[in-house]
Amino acid sequence: GEDVEQSLFLSVREGDSSVINCTYTDSSSTYLYWYKQEPGAGLQLLTYIFSNMDMKQDQRLTVLLNKKDKHLSLRIADTQTGDSAIYFCAERSGGSYIPTFGRGTSLIVHP
Amino acid sequence: DTGVSQDPRHKITKRGQNVTFRCDPISEHNRLYWYRQTLGQGPEFLTYFQNEAQLEKSRLLSDRFSAERPKGSFSTLEIQRTEQGDSAMYLCASSTGSETQYFGPGTRLLVL
Repeated sequence: GEDVEQSLFLSVREGDSSVINCTYTDSSSTYLYWYKQEPGAGLQLLTYIFSNMDMKQDQRLTVLLNKKDKHLSLRIADTQTGDSAIYFCAERSGGSYIPTFGRGTSLIVHP
Repeated sequence: DTGVSQDPRHKITKRGQNVTFRCDPISEHNRLYWYRQTLGQGPEFLTYFQNEAQLEKSRLLSDRFSAERPKGSFSTLEIQRTEQGDSAMYLCASSTGSETQYFGPGTRLLVL
C-alpha cells in the first residue's frame, strides 16, 4: 500500500523556524496537504499544494515539494507556543478521493 | 458556514452496547467521509458518501459498523456490539468538487 512517513517529534524554541518533513511513496500523488490537530480536536487544514508546484507560501507557512524525491516540508516562521500541535502530512492521487495520512509530527514549542 | 459538526463529542459505553454518532457536513458539500483515529496514528479511512450513495468502504469497516446518509445531508455511523478495540476518535469530513476535506471536531469513543 501507499505510505506517508513523518518524524514523530520536533522541539523548537519560540521565535525560531520549524521545519516538518514528510516523505511519500505514491508517484501518482497529485495533492499534498498539511493538517494541524490540537489536543482533543479534529484536523484543521493548514495548506495544500498541487504536485506541479514546487513551493507555496501562506503568511508564516511555506510548503516545499521535491517531487523527484517525493519529499514535502512545512516551514513555520517565527514559531509561537500556539503552534504546538500535531501536524499531519497527507497525499492523494488524482484518481482517488481518499487521502493517505502520515502518523503526525508532534511539534513542541518551548520558551 | 458553521463548519463540520459532530455529536456527541464524547461517548463512554460498555462492551457489547451499540453506539451511534452523527455528522453534519458543511451545507454545500456533497461528499462526506468517516475516519477512525487511534492514539499516535493519523486518520484511517472508513467510508465515503457522495450525496446519499455510499461509494466506498474500507476493509476496516467490519460488519458491526454501518453508516448512512439518507437524505444526502447529515450522516450517522453506528457500531453494534462494541468491543474495546473500537475505542478511538471517529472523525467526519466533508468536501465539494475541490476535494479538499474539512474535518469536524470528532467523537471520542471509550469502550469499557
